[in-house]
Amino acid sequence: GAVVSQHPSWVICKSGTSVKIECRSLDFQATTMFWYRQFPKQSLMLMATSNEGSKATYEQGVEKDKFLINHASLTLSTLTVTSAHPEDSSFYICSAGVPYGEQFFGPGTRLTVL
Amino acid sequence: KQEVTQIPAALSVPEGENLVLNCSFTDSAIYNLQWFRQDPGKGLTSLLLIQSSQREQTSGRLNASLDKSSGRSTLYIAASQPGDSATYLCAVPDTNAGKSTFGDGTTLTVKP
Repeated sequence: GAVVSQHPSWVICKSGTSVKIECRSLDFQATTMFWYRQFPKQSLMLMATSNEGSKATYEQGVEKDKFLINHASLTLSTLTVTSAHPEDSSFYICSAGVPYGEQFFGPGTRLTVL
Repeated sequence: KQEVTQIPAALSVPEGENLVLNCSFTDSAIYNLQWFRQDPGKGLTSLLLIQSSQREQTSGRLNASLDKSSGRSTLYIAASQPGDSATYLCAVPDTNAGKSTFGDGTTLTVKP
């Protein structure tokens, strides 16, 4: 199957700093990518849909000014957590695939905000 | 809005036992359904994808079935092994855009 990578795999930062997470589709082009968040012992919750060349679509309750998404190319989407706080500590996972087809998930990025 | 439910939330079985994990969804107008495995602290590993036109898919000791009309899918694991211990998630993509709704998962423990 297709491969989706994420970088970094884990990051620890101080409260108030910004963190950028990259999601790449390695062997296919993705006009749409999705960002999910998973808190401990909970399931994945969709945060936003990243659209190549246009603005991201955010789910209800997700602050677009806090979670900045940029999808500048067909193989790269970035999620920037701005002014991170301890409550933003979570596991962030991206996915990409063909609409109505299989979704391929990245390995995830574990963010810890001190 | 699609809602996905997985039962049971946790399951503990002795090694060698066959088991069934259940996934139900409220909107039967789906294109496909995926089953994933997640080990603690790790990302998702795709196990099986069932298209809406299919009734079941098999991969090794895993068999997933789909009954769209009743909004149910099952994941059957044969001859379970301790290495099968993980959380199993099912996900249904949105009919329009492909974004997925996940169940809360079933945490499986297979005891040696």
